[in-house]
Amino acid sequence: DQQVKQNSPSLSVQEGRISILNCDYTNSMFDYFLWYKKYPAEGPTFLISISSIKDKNEDGRFTVFLNKSAKHLSLHIVPSQPGDSAVYFCARGTSYGKLTFGQGTILTVHP
Amino acid sequence: GEEVAQTPKHLVRGEGQKAKLYCAPIKGHSYVFWYQQVLKNEFKFLISFQNENVFDETGMPKERFSAKCLPNSPCSLEIQATKLEDSAVYFCASSPDRFSGANVLTFGAGSRLTVL
Repeated sequence: DQQVKQNSPSLSVQEGRISILNCDYTNSMFDYFLWYKKYPAEGPTFLISISSIKDKNEDGRFTVFLNKSAKHLSLHIVPSQPGDSAVYFCARGTSYGKLTFGQGTILTVHP
Repeated sequence: GEEVAQTPKHLVRGEGQKAKLYCAPIKGHSYVFWYQQVLKNEFKFLISFQNENVFDETGMPKERFSAKCLPNSPCSLEIQATKLEDSAVYFCASSPDRFSGANVLTFGAGSRLTVL
């Protein structure tokens, strides 16, 4: 069973500070990990992805780190903004597009 | 269009009634996916299509759920004889080609099914 777990249901951060969202996985057979962001009453929106051959991928304020030995993935948002407040899902992606999602972490960024 | 369009936004059915949801993928996208999200928890994969062909149906409850993607028509997800546990938000997503990390899934806004 290819599990993806987000153990923190919520995270609260001050505007301008760093937000770190974490994700653990239990099986090494994957092609990509992705982070999606979701606002209420909307579908998930793609943020950033990382392939299994990389340790880090950066896109503006968003950086994803992959620690394969620890089977751990993290998303860093620097600096955090109030508009970043949303539910963040990590997901494992296969080559044919099927995604396995974590449970989500609610991020609240306070002004 | 440039968005995945799902209809209806909200559907209410009595237990035992049929429910049918629709999804128009982004034009030119070959792959369509259906996911179920219950009580804001994690998304459960149901089924995927490559054009009109079923690609992966490992997540589909076989007894009451069915799905189609026919040429020149929106894709559909149908639930016969709905049960209370079918209450969820159903998300459709599409992607342009075989997934590569660069070709990510674009999701629709979802259809909320409430079974009373």
